[in-house]
Amino acid sequence: GAVVSQHPSWVICKSGTSVKIECRSLDFQATTMFWYRQFPKQSLMLMATSNEGSKATYEQGVEKDKFLINHASLTLSTLTVTSAHPEDSSFYICSALLRGGLALSSYNEQFFGPGTRLTVL
Amino acid sequence: DAKTTQPPSMDCAEGRAANLPCNHSTISGNEYVYWYRQIHSQGPQYIIHGLKNNETNEMASLIITEDRKSSTLILPHATLRDTAVYYCIVSQTNAGKSTFGDGTTLTVKP
Repeated sequence: GAVVSQHPSWVICKSGTSVKIECRSLDFQATTMFWYRQFPKQSLMLMATSNEGSKATYEQGVEKDKFLINHASLTLSTLTVTSAHPEDSSFYICSALLRGGLALSSYNEQFFGPGTRLTVL
Repeated sequence: DAKTTQPPSMDCAEGRAANLPCNHSTISGNEYVYWYRQIHSQGPQYIIHGLKNNETNEMASLIITEDRKSSTLILPHATLRDTAVYYCIVSQTNAGKSTFGDGTTLTVKP
């Protein structure tokens, strides 16, 4: 199968600092990755679409200057939460798109990472 | 992407079949039905997907009605490890990104 990893799995930081979260596709190249946020007892909310070599596309209401996304290679996308505040505490999940899927079909498959738990004090 | 409606919670006895319904009455012709599940504090796990035909894999079966306005995910022999939030999503395959609804919390009881 296709594996997506995230690092770190959890992080605690002080208010006002910046935190970087990495998302890697371990055994496939992903030109497109997605970043989601999930608050306790809520569903996943799509934050942005990350495209290799170009600017990310942010969903409505997501501050692009606060959540910096860089997709510099075909296997790595990073999300940096700048000047983090307690309300940014959440579970951040990335996914990577495998075009053609595992069976090289016309169907694109999306594989999710294990998530990163961010706590801002 | 089309909106989906799922019951907020369901219980199932261990070893019995779990049938999870999903309504997607506004689905369009080129949208697939996907099912994912999320075990507490983990990333979503893909289960199965389909367009209009019923599908089966090693994890589950997917039954899609003829008018494609609803579907049912079937876990044939539920185990305690199947306790999770199950999400039904409809999306165009090339779009990739998924809009998650509230899902169904399935609790498998001994």
